[in-house]
Amino acid sequence: KQEVTQIPAALSVPEGENLVLNCSFTDSAIYNLQWFRQDPGKGLTSLLLIQSSQREQTSGRLNASLDKSSGRSTLYIAASQPGDSATYLCAVDFNKFYFGSGTKLNVKP
Amino acid sequence: GAVVSQHPSWVICKSGTSVKIECRSLDFQATTMFWYRQFPKQSLMLMATSNEGSKATYEQGVEKDKFLINHASLTLSTLTVTSAHPEDSSFYICSARAPVTKGSSYEQYFGPGTRLTVT
Repeated sequence: KQEVTQIPAALSVPEGENLVLNCSFTDSAIYNLQWFRQDPGKGLTSLLLIQSSQREQTSGRLNASLDKSSGRSTLYIAASQPGDSATYLCAVDFNKFYFGSGTKLNVKP
Repeated sequence: GAVVSQHPSWVICKSGTSVKIECRSLDFQATTMFWYRQFPKQSLMLMATSNEGSKATYEQGVEKDKFLINHASLTLSTLTVTSAHPEDSSFYICSARAPVTKGSSYEQYFGPGTRLTVT
């Protein structure tokens, strides 16, 4: 079974800090990788999709990178804000989607 | 982006009854849909892959007779939790796969989820 791991499990930072969330996966034969945000008790909001042929994607203050050979992806959040507080999930498409356990982010005002 | 809806958004049922959850792709056709379950403070776990016109493929450990999946059309998949018990209480989320407009990959669009509580 494919495995997706996210570290750290939780992160608390003061407002304005830049931060990096990590995602690793066991098989480099992926179709794509998506980063999602989930607020408590809510569904998923797609943040960025990186196709297997791409190395990074950017959207506003978010930048996601993909290194298939090493089985890693990072989500970089610049100038964090309290509204960024949520759980961030990495999902890898091995022809089925497998999710990491998530990183719970708290940005303190 | 594409929109996926789920109905109902929440449901409370008594132990022993069955509950049906619908997942619809509103503005695109989805040959493949997926069903996930999420327990409190845990991540999403893939339950099954729903293919239009054929039987669903279940992940290891998921009881196919308990979680009945029907993908009757290109825009609708249903999950029926049969003889529900309190341990089936969870957040159920569906997704539908659609081609990415640029490139050869697929993107998954997720429904808002259905919170099931079995009393």
